[in-house]
Amino acid sequence: ELKVEQNPLFLSMQEGKNYTIYCNYSTTSDRLYWYRQDPGKSLESLFVLLSNGAVKQEGRLMASLDTKARLSTLHITAAVHDLSATYFCAGDTGTASKLTFGTGTRLQVTL
Amino acid sequence: DVKVTQSSRYLVKRTGEKVFLECVQDMDHENMFWYRQDPGLGLRLIYFSYDVKMKEKGDIPEGYSVSREKKERFSLILESASTNQTSMYLCASSQDGREPYGYTFGSGTRLTIV
Repeated sequence: ELKVEQNPLFLSMQEGKNYTIYCNYSTTSDRLYWYRQDPGKSLESLFVLLSNGAVKQEGRLMASLDTKARLSTLHITAAVHDLSATYFCAGDTGTASKLTFGTGTRLQVTL
Repeated sequence: DVKVTQSSRYLVKRTGEKVFLECVQDMDHENMFWYRQDPGLGLRLIYFSYDVKMKEKGDIPEGYSVSREKKERFSLILESASTNQTSMYLCASSQDGREPYGYTFGSGTRLTIV
């Protein structure tokens, strides 16, 4: 059974700083996903990482995947307030694309 | 773009009522899912469906049932609503083997049972 762990659970960071959110998973996962959730809203897809060594970037966010270490990272560069949200990683085992989610990392970017 | 539509954003119902939450997707996806989300507990899978008239229990099916009579529609039913079912409910759909990979989520229904 796939288990997904994220850390930290909560992250308060100043604008302009860099930080990384870590996502470890327990068994082979076909793909690794990152989602963003704003308060009171639903989840929206950020990145899908399909293979070992995959790197995706959009704006100040960059996600990477190391399947040998069973680790994905979401790196935030020069954070801005608009990035404040909860970020979830998820893996799937290929069965009906059913995803297993981490518990989420609540990111708060302060001035 | 795939659209997943949940019929209500906010819903208030009374204890003991039978409650229906509706979810419709417009991209011919085979897989549909219902989750609930509570502070500190993350997303928990209630039920999912691989195809019409098929359903599988998730991690917390007690107190819930589902219906999938048509491919595009997946309904979550609270048989006799209780206050501990107050939560945010999220519907999602997906399709094996083609993009977009992963889930597309609906906008969520915040359900309050009083």
